[in-house]
Amino acid sequence: DADVTQTPRNRITKTGKRIMLECSQTKGHDRMYWYRQDPGLGLRLIYYSFDVKDINKGEISDGYSVSRQAQAKFSLSLESAIPNQTALYFCATSANYGYTFGSGTRLTVV
Amino acid sequence: QKEVEQDPGPLSVPEGAIVSLNCTYSNSAFQYFMWYRQYSRKGPELLMYTYSSGNKEDGRFTAQVDKSSKYISLFIRDSQPSDSATYLCAMRSLVDGQNFVFGPGTRLSVLP
Repeated sequence: DADVTQTPRNRITKTGKRIMLECSQTKGHDRMYWYRQDPGLGLRLIYYSFDVKDINKGEISDGYSVSRQAQAKFSLSLESAIPNQTALYFCATSANYGYTFGSGTRLTVV
Repeated sequence: QKEVEQDPGPLSVPEGAIVSLNCTYSNSAFQYFMWYRQYSRKGPELLMYTYSSGNKEDGRFTAQVDKSSKYISLFIRDSQPSDSATYLCAMRSLVDGQNFVFGPGTRLSVLP
């Protein structure tokens, strides 16, 4: 099994719909992150969590929310999806240095 | 000006060539530097991690940091088609809890 597992891998949804992206990890790390990747813009931080009781906004949190259900689980929600949220979404974990990324969720909002 | 800049490429080289990938940055407080490799439809994977200035070598890969010029490089020797990927640089300061800032990535193609 992968160290960081994201579901779903691909999703097409309609504008205005609520959608949840899920992430689970087996690394035992406390720190978890959600990034989105857009061509030419690189990885941008949406939310991060340093432990179950700690949630922090990143660079581009507007329109997103998160839930840290357990040390191993960190989910990202789009309450009302809009087309400019079409992107590749990555979950990541870290310990002392470096990130371990999941394989990503390709989200298309039509 | 973006905090971290990279030439997006694509950069195409013949197999066996020496590849130089570069990032420039504006924040002089950055002390930790990383290089990630990202294959198509995959998440980034950590290649190299360096602290402050100097060189670090790992097999065919060498990471170089020049803090005076705010410039970091990744060299790939004897490049292989399997090195074809997007390469992302990332960096952060010493401030506890500070998150890494990523460059947009350079797409590399190594032609057989």
